[in-house]
Amino acid sequence: ETGVTQSPTHLIKTRGQQVTLRCSSQSGHNTVSWYQQALGQGPQFIFQYYREEENGRGNFPPRFSGLQFPNYSSELNVNALELDDSALYLCASSFEGWTPGYTFGSGTRLTVV
Amino acid sequence: AQSVTQPDIHITVSEGASLELRCNYSYGATPYLFWYVQSPGQGLQLLLKYFSGDTLVQGIKGFEAEFKRSQSSFNLRKPSVHWSDAAEYFCAVGVSGGGADGLTFGKGTHLIIQP
Repeated sequence: ETGVTQSPTHLIKTRGQQVTLRCSSQSGHNTVSWYQQALGQGPQFIFQYYREEENGRGNFPPRFSGLQFPNYSSELNVNALELDDSALYLCASSFEGWTPGYTFGSGTRLTVV
Repeated sequence: AQSVTQPDIHITVSEGASLELRCNYSYGATPYLFWYVQSPGQGLQLLLKYFSGDTLVQGIKGFEAEFKRSQSSFNLRKPSVHWSDAAEYFCAVGVSGGGADGLTFGKGTHLIIQP
């Protein structure tokens, strides 16, 4: 098992800019979910991709978007960055949804200034 | 909508002592319940999960959790903690099989181990 790999590990962006975060899923997993973890908080669900389609979304605006590729790697895109977008972004892969449990990456720390 | 409460923000335990971390959920039916652990600079790791059946579930690293429907609780326990258990612990709930709605996490409990 290769685990879940996220890149970059840290990122600093300016308010109003756009950012793309990347995730390589664990081998054999067909579902990828993205979570936002603000400082001192638990992770919050952004969205889930299953077989390259978004099939679930949390309470996040449309400027948060994503992609899942045929090899099950994934991207999270955030447009028009706001200061409150500063957080740890976690990618979690799984097989057929979260029921078996997620394998999380170590996250990307995004700072918006 | 479902919610998860972890009443203790910080807990300090001496090495070798027993541990119980509290988790309460709010949902009309029996949810899917999880405990995850997050070490500094790391992602979350699944400790254990409960879906149905035996209300006492065993997990990795010597952890166990007990589901109590009457109390809407899913507390995590360990009989003897080790210094390496120092971390952030998250309880999470899911309410649909397959999981298109994602998991709802509590705010976490920070576990400190005293030598």
